[in-house]
Amino acid sequence: ELKVEQNPLFLSMQEGKNYTIYCNYSTTSDRLYWYRQDPGKSLESLFVLLSNGAVKQEGRLMASLDTKARLSTLHITAAVHDLSATYFCAALDTGRRALTFGSGTRLQVQP
Amino acid sequence: ETGVTQSPTHLIKTRGQQVTLRCSSQSGHNTVSWYQQALGQGPQFIFQYYREEENGRGNFPPRFSGLQFPNYSSELNVNALELDDSALYLCASTDTGWAGYTFGSGTRLTVV
Repeated sequence: ELKVEQNPLFLSMQEGKNYTIYCNYSTTSDRLYWYRQDPGKSLESLFVLLSNGAVKQEGRLMASLDTKARLSTLHITAAVHDLSATYFCAALDTGRRALTFGSGTRLQVQP
Repeated sequence: ETGVTQSPTHLIKTRGQQVTLRCSSQSGHNTVSWYQQALGQGPQFIFQYYREEENGRGNFPPRFSGLQFPNYSSELNVNALELDDSALYLCASTDTGWAGYTFGSGTRLTVV
C-alpha cells in the first residue's frame, strides 16, 4: 500500500527566507501532485510532476521529483505572508486509481 | 470551462441518519472521485467512478456508496451516520490520463 510522508508538519518562517518541504512516498508512483489549502477551503492545484527529474516553478514556489529516491520537494524562495497555508503532496496509486496524500505541512510566514 | 461544483456547502445531520452529497465534474472530465478530510488531516480516498462504475475504493465501509450519472456528475451516500463521519467531503474530477485532479469546494458535514 502506497504511503506518503511529509516533513516538516509545521513550519514557521520569516518573510524573505528560503525553505524546503519534503515528500517521501513508499512505492512506485509516476505522478506526484502538490496542493495548497487555505483554512476552511478546498485544495488548489499547484504542480503536477509526471517524470523523473521533473522541475516546475511558479512564482516563489518550485517543485521537483526524483522517482528513484521516491522524493519530491517543494522549495519556497523569499517567502511572503501570502504563502501562509497548508501544503499537501499526493502520489498517484495507479492500482487503486487514487491519490494518497501526505499529512500536510502547515506553513506560517511571519512578517 | 466550469470547475467542479459541490452541494450543499454545509450540512448538519443526526447520528444514524443518511446523507447524500452531490458533485458536478469539470467539463471534459469523465472520472470522479471522493475524499474525506477530517480536521487537521490529509484527504483520504473513498472511491472513484468512471463510466458510471466504481473502479477504485479506499478503506471505507459499505455504508459509503456512490453513483455516477451519464453526464459524469456523481453522488456520495452515507448511511447510518456516525460522529466520526464529521469531515470535509471533497469531490475531484480528472480525465483518464490523471494529468490533473480538480477539486470542488467541498461539503462540510457535521454529525451530532
